Amino acid sequence: GAGVSQSPRYKVTKRGQDVALRCDPISGHVSLYWYRQALGQGPEFLTYFNYEAQQDKSGLPNDRFSAERPEGSISTLTIQRTEQRDSAMYRCASSFKREGQTQYFGPGTRLLVL
Amino acid sequence: GENVEQHPSTLSVQEGDSAVIKCTYSDSASNYFPWYKQELGKRPQLIIDIRSNVGEKKDQRIAVTLNKTAKHFSLHITETQPEDSAVYFCAASKTGFQKLVFGTGTRLLVSP
Repeated sequence: GAGVSQSPRYKVTKRGQDVALRCDPISGHVSLYWYRQALGQGPEFLTYFNYEAQQDKSGLPNDRFSAERPEGSISTLTIQRTEQRDSAMYRCASSFKREGQTQYFGPGTRLLVL
Repeated sequence: GENVEQHPSTLSVQEGDSAVIKCTYSDSASNYFPWYKQELGKRPQLIIDIRSNVGEKKDQRIAVTLNKTAKHFSLHITETQPEDSAVYFCAASKTGFQKLVFGTGTRLLVSP
């Protein structure tokens, strides 16, 4: 079946602009996660959802970052007033159930803020 | 919060040799430990995982061991092949907290 998909794959934006990153999880997966991965580093947790409920947003760096999953499927990560330090690979993952289940990662969105 | 340390940061072996990557974690409540392989420009992919009720798990040339007392777990790759070359990440999570906390990664290079 289709894996986790993300769009856009690449996003170049100017400092101060808002960006919206989309994640389409594997069909039927209850849980959806957002991570940020700096070059050469492991993914860093941002937030996650079970169905449409945001369960933990402790990893969001500041209030410019927000995420939603209104219908329990597709999710959007929004970054307002982007800054150069926001440049990174943003990865989405999904899992079938909740705890201790394999998280399948998407291809990521490479964000570059000029 | 949980902290996961991973060693070594780079590992070079000859084809056919074994490779071992070690991780330590700080939170004794952690109970799920996956290992991901990430090839250049690709997404992380799960290669093996272990839960705290098991001490060792094998899948062909790959094995993972867990020592709960010492709070460390290791990835063992036997008979390494050039296609094993990649960055490997360990991670940990615990009951009630679905997020994965990743190690800093090990770049494995297998030379023919």
